[in-house]
Order: sequence, then structure tokens, then C-alpha cells
Amino acid sequence: GENVEQHPSTLSVQEGDSAVIKCTYSDSASNYFPWYKQELGKRPQLIIDIRSNVGEKKDQRIAVTLNKTAKHFSLHITETQPEDSAVYFCAASTGANNLFFGTGTRLTVIP
Amino acid sequence: EPEVTQTPSHQVTQMGQEVILRCVPISNHLYFYWYRQILGQKVEFLVSFYNNEISEKSEIFDDQFSVERPDGSNFTLKIRSTKLEDSAMYFCASMGQLNTEAFFGQGTRLTVV
Repeated sequence: GENVEQHPSTLSVQEGDSAVIKCTYSDSASNYFPWYKQELGKRPQLIIDIRSNVGEKKDQRIAVTLNKTAKHFSLHITETQPEDSAVYFCAASTGANNLFFGTGTRLTVIP
Repeated sequence: EPEVTQTPSHQVTQMGQEVILRCVPISNHLYFYWYRQILGQKVEFLVSFYNNEISEKSEIFDDQFSVERPDGSNFTLKIRSTKLEDSAMYFCASMGQLNTEAFFGQGTRLTVV
């Protein structure tokens, strides 16, 4: 199946700074790339997603970029706030009935 | 807002016992999933289910695991003979259409002793 790698595993930023999390995927057939946020002890929740027919998508302070040629995609959070602290997972799907997650990035925003 | 619900929230079982984890997906969703998350680790794909059959399964999903949608609303994961290493949080998820948001349940924490 698809292999999704994610870096870094932990990330600490000062409040107001930007955070960038990067993922690579192995299956060139993957065409859907969501990002999930998981707060401590809670379920993963979708924050943004991108499909392979676009290179970038933005939603307020969150943006995602996709490079299909290089098979990598990134999450960018600007003007970080303490409530952004959580574990973030990237994921990839080939469009078949699957969704494979990366290893997660623990983001800590320091007030 | 509709949500995926899972029961029980926490299950403790003796090694070698069978457990059934239950999920009620969102009612008009068609695609169903089970994931496992060992404490502090990634969310691991176990199995996907569509049209009353398994679509895909991972290496983790061996003969000890089975899934069922017995009555058109519940979606269950059975582990026949639990091992210590099966201890994890198990998440059910459902999706209305492919490549759209997967909605996760709140999880069942399985502890095998």
C-alpha cells in the first residue's frame, strides 16, 4: 500500500511564527491529500485537504501545497496561536477505498 | 451535526479473549474504515469496507480480525484472540464519497491484560 512519510516529528514555534510540516508519498496514483489535527485524547479532525488537480489551497491561516512530480505536499500554518498546538497528520489516498496516514507531527506553539 | 459513535469507550480484556468493537457510522455514508493508534504513534490503517465487503486491508489485519455490518447501521471490528500488542485506541471512520472528509469516531481504547 501507500507509504506516507512525515517530517518533522516534533516542532516548536513561538506564537505568531509560521509552522511548516512536510510529507512525501510513494504511490503516484495517490490523488487526495488531507490533513488532520488531533488534540490530546481526541479524534482526528480534518483541517484542510487538496486534490491532485491543484497545486495549492488556502483557508485563512492554513495552506497546503502539492508537488505531484516530487510526490510531496506540505502544510503551512501562519500566525500560529497556542490553540494550534496538537498532533498533525498528513494522509494520502489513491482514490480507492483507502486513506494512509503519515507518522504525525507534534506541534507546540509557545506563548 | 451527525457524528460517528463508537462503543465502548474503553474495553479491558484478558489476553486470548474475543472482543467486538462497535461503531455507528454517519447514516448516509457508504465507506467505512477501522484504524488503530498505539499510544503516541501514528494512525494505522486496518481495513476499509464498502458495499458489504472489504475493499482493502493492511498487513495488520490478519486472520484474527474481522469486520461486519450486521444490520445496515452498525459496523463492527472483531478480534478473535486478543494479544497484548493489540492494546491501542481503535478508531472507526466513515466517508460519504471517496476522497472527501473521513469522519472519525471518538475511539475505543482497548487494553489487553
